[in-house]
Amino acid sequence: AQSVAQPEDQVNVAEGNPLTVKCTYSVSGNPYLFWYVQYPNRGLQFLLKYITGDNLVKGSYGFEAEFNKSQTSFHLKKPSALVSDSALYFCAVRATGGGNKLTFGTGTQLKVEL
Amino acid sequence: DGGITQSPKYLFRKEGQNVTLSCEQNLNHDAMYWYRQDPGQGLRLIYYSQIVNDFQKGDIAEGYSVSREKKESFPLTVTSAQKNPTAFYLCASSSGGETQYFGPGTRLLVL
Repeated sequence: AQSVAQPEDQVNVAEGNPLTVKCTYSVSGNPYLFWYVQYPNRGLQFLLKYITGDNLVKGSYGFEAEFNKSQTSFHLKKPSALVSDSALYFCAVRATGGGNKLTFGTGTQLKVEL
Repeated sequence: DGGITQSPKYLFRKEGQNVTLSCEQNLNHDAMYWYRQDPGQGLRLIYYSQIVNDFQKGDIAEGYSVSREKKESFPLTVTSAQKNPTAFYLCASSSGGETQYFGPGTRLLVL
């Protein structure tokens, strides 16, 4: 079985400061890892994904994520947070060759304050 | 949300009533999915379809039914057997096992 853990329900950060949203995963074999963002009453928007290759993945809106196989982590980062980044962030995983089924974490609410 | 539409945006269900949520995509994706979102629980997979005329149960299929008669369409019916249907329902599609793209969602409320 595959699973994702997002250990923080909420992350607060001041605008201009770096942000990190944590994600750890468990999967058999090599993982495909994804980050999505959700604004209130909207669908999920794709931010970035790791399939293979470089462990540092760059995505939309200045976000990036680092794949760490030994720690089974895929933390989302941004060097300088904006108030408009405030939203709900989801990490998701599926196993290579595991069909199309994604398993999502429970989400982390990011709040960026002035 | 581009390329995937869901309707209606809000839906009200009476006790004992079946309701159908619409999902349409113009991305030419083979695979389509239905998720349920409840506060604090993330997204849970209800049903998915990898090809026309074929679909599989997800993790929480009880009380739901789907059809996939056309590549572009994957409607979800919430039956009267689903005793706790109040949730935000999200449809997604993908090209094979690649990135899933989501629609804007339908919020289902019980009267």
